Amino acid sequence: DQQVKQNSPSLSVQEGRISILNCDYTNSMFDYFLWYKKYPAEGPTFLISISSIKDKNEDGRFTVFLNKSAKHLSLHIVPSQPGDSAVYFCAASAERHNQGGKLIFGQGTELSVKP
Amino acid sequence: KAGVTQTPRYLIKTRGQQVTLSCSPISGHRSVSWYQQTPGQGLQFLFEYFSETQRNKGNFPGRFSGRQFSNSRSEMNVSTLELGDSALYLCASSGLLGVGETQYFGPGTRLLVL
Repeated sequence: DQQVKQNSPSLSVQEGRISILNCDYTNSMFDYFLWYKKYPAEGPTFLISISSIKDKNEDGRFTVFLNKSAKHLSLHIVPSQPGDSAVYFCAASAERHNQGGKLIFGQGTELSVKP
Repeated sequence: KAGVTQTPRYLIKTRGQQVTLSCSPISGHRSVSWYQQTPGQGLQFLFEYFSETQRNKGNFPGRFSGRQFSNSRSEMNVSTLELGDSALYLCASSGLLGVGETQYFGPGTRLLVL
């Protein structure tokens, strides 16, 4: 039962353009969503998060959008840089249901930004 | 602040043995969660400890166990190792379990079971 899905295993983008990574979820108890960036054999690095009471959160080049009715979130990176090349994971938790310490991860999308 | 640290970074064991991994959270963080990452299953939640109590548990067999000490440091133990336990084991820490608390991850322990 895949509660968090990233349907695109890979994405290739030209430097300077926008990268859009997508994530869908099925559990309506999820109320906190995060994006992490990961390199092989390293721990995930936190990028940006959004609470279910919001529909958008921005931090520099990174913006996360949440569409609760569609159970869909996306991460926009503008402009994309070669250093952004990594695997991106979306994750969700049900904090109001006392499961804030339990993140459910998607399978990841490998982003490649070409110079 | 120092980040989440995990020891050891790499470990080789044989089937049937047991292993203990250690995690030191960010100073002041009271919640520690453990995850297993494998190529086939991705990142999967093992368990979470808060104030020395297990608060949440994933769908792993009883061979996987953990504990947390009064200084918030945590250990996880895997007994009777199987080949399929080869994975990157990650721990993450966060502060109080309020809404909007972010988990910060350590570098992981790479376990190879032969």
